[in-house]
Amino acid sequence: QSALTQPASVSGSAGQSITISCSGTTGDVGRYNYVSWYQQHPGKAPRLIIYDVNNRPSGVSSRFSGTKSGNAASLTITGLQAEDEADYYCSSYTGDITRLYVFGTGTQVAVL
Amino acid sequence: EVHLVESGGTLVKPGGSLRVSCATSTFLFSNFYINWVRQAPGKGLEWVGLVKTTFHGGTTEYAAPVKGRFTISRDFSKDTVYLDMSNVKTEDTAVYYCVTEKSGTFDNWGQGTLVTVSS
Repeated sequence: QSALTQPASVSGSAGQSITISCSGTTGDVGRYNYVSWYQQHPGKAPRLIIYDVNNRPSGVSSRFSGTKSGNAASLTITGLQAEDEADYYCSSYTGDITRLYVFGTGTQVAVL
Repeated sequence: EVHLVESGGTLVKPGGSLRVSCATSTFLFSNFYINWVRQAPGKGLEWVGLVKTTFHGGTTEYAAPVKGRFTISRDFSKDTVYLDMSNVKTEDTAVYYCVTEKSGTFDNWGQGTLVTVSS
């Protein structure tokens, strides 16, 4: 079972909106709503920004939102800011005990 | 604020063994599954394994690439989770993160500890 597929990079100008896709299968993203998103700045640990497809933890900006349709999920960042420049990873529960969780390939976001 | 502090990462030869630790709190032991997630240099995240809460039996699950070589355990007296790594391979080189997980969400991450497997 391979990683979830994300675009390698996405860029946008400050103030614009961008969307990062996360493509899975009927065995992970398509079957469970345990889809989450993580932001990782260089040299830092990942940080949870979206859980259960479209929920934000306390303290995470409302500029981050998530959706899911079929076997694919997406993360949208509105009003892009310089501090949003980071790597983003999606994750899904799979129910497969040999690989309970699968992460996406990661997307590098650049703010132009 | 939840704190997880990993330690023990070092250089180890292929085929060798290593223990990395994750210092947490009694609260975390009781309420969260503790997972290990690794990240090879310049690469993405990979789930390694988990230990469940006592309420859920305290059992462990492992990813296929490490099953039979890695063991996760807990020391309640020290509020610490261990990842024992044996017969390590060069592809095990990574930053290892200790992470709390509840209902499919990795909500709190430690700062990570680097394990390098090289001769």
